[in-house]
Amino acid sequence: GENVEQHPSTLSVQEGDSAVIKCTYSDSASNYFPWYKQELGKRPQLIIDIRSNVGEKKDQRIAVTLNKTAKHFSLHITETQPEDSAVYFCAAPKREAGGTSYGKLTFGQGTILTVHP
Amino acid sequence: NAGVTQTPKFRILKIGQSMTLQCAQDMNHNYMYWYRQDPGMGLKLIYYSVGAGITDKGEVPNGYNVSRSTTEDFPLRLELAAPSQTSVYFCASRSDRASPLHFGNGTRLTVT
Repeated sequence: GENVEQHPSTLSVQEGDSAVIKCTYSDSASNYFPWYKQELGKRPQLIIDIRSNVGEKKDQRIAVTLNKTAKHFSLHITETQPEDSAVYFCAAPKREAGGTSYGKLTFGQGTILTVHP
Repeated sequence: NAGVTQTPKFRILKIGQSMTLQCAQDMNHNYMYWYRQDPGMGLKLIYYSVGAGITDKGEVPNGYNVSRSTTEDFPLRLELAAPSQTSVYFCASRSDRASPLHFGNGTRLTVT
């Protein structure tokens, strides 16, 4: 089935530095890759997503890149700020066994990002 | 729009008790999901639905049941609560398979 591997599990940076989190997926036909941010005690919230017909998408300090050949996608946060500290999750769709639907959405294990002032 | 609404917010169950976690969305989304999140861990898919009358198992369905009689509602049923089901449960919905998930605020369940 679809395995979504996310690395690193923890990431500590100084304020102003960049942070990069990477996810790999197994189903080459997957076509939608979101990133979620979860603050302590809160629900996950979408921060950026990318579809398989583009290689990169940017939104202010946040960008996502997609390499379909290598089956990995990455979250890039530039000029990090203390309020970026949270758990970040990637996700990828999963095709049901023997099927064509991509209803399932499987999450990576999460990355705890800490930005030190 | 209220988005995705989950009830209750908190619940304590004794081992062997049953309960239903409610989830409703008012965005006319076809796809709905139940995830559980153990402390310090990621999100594990329990069950999902791609439309009214259609449900399917996720990664960790044992001990749970769901139904989808309407587009709006997707309740999760725990029949015989076990300590291993202590977790935070999130319901989510989206309009299609390439759209973002909208999460509810979660239900924190403790089984003792």
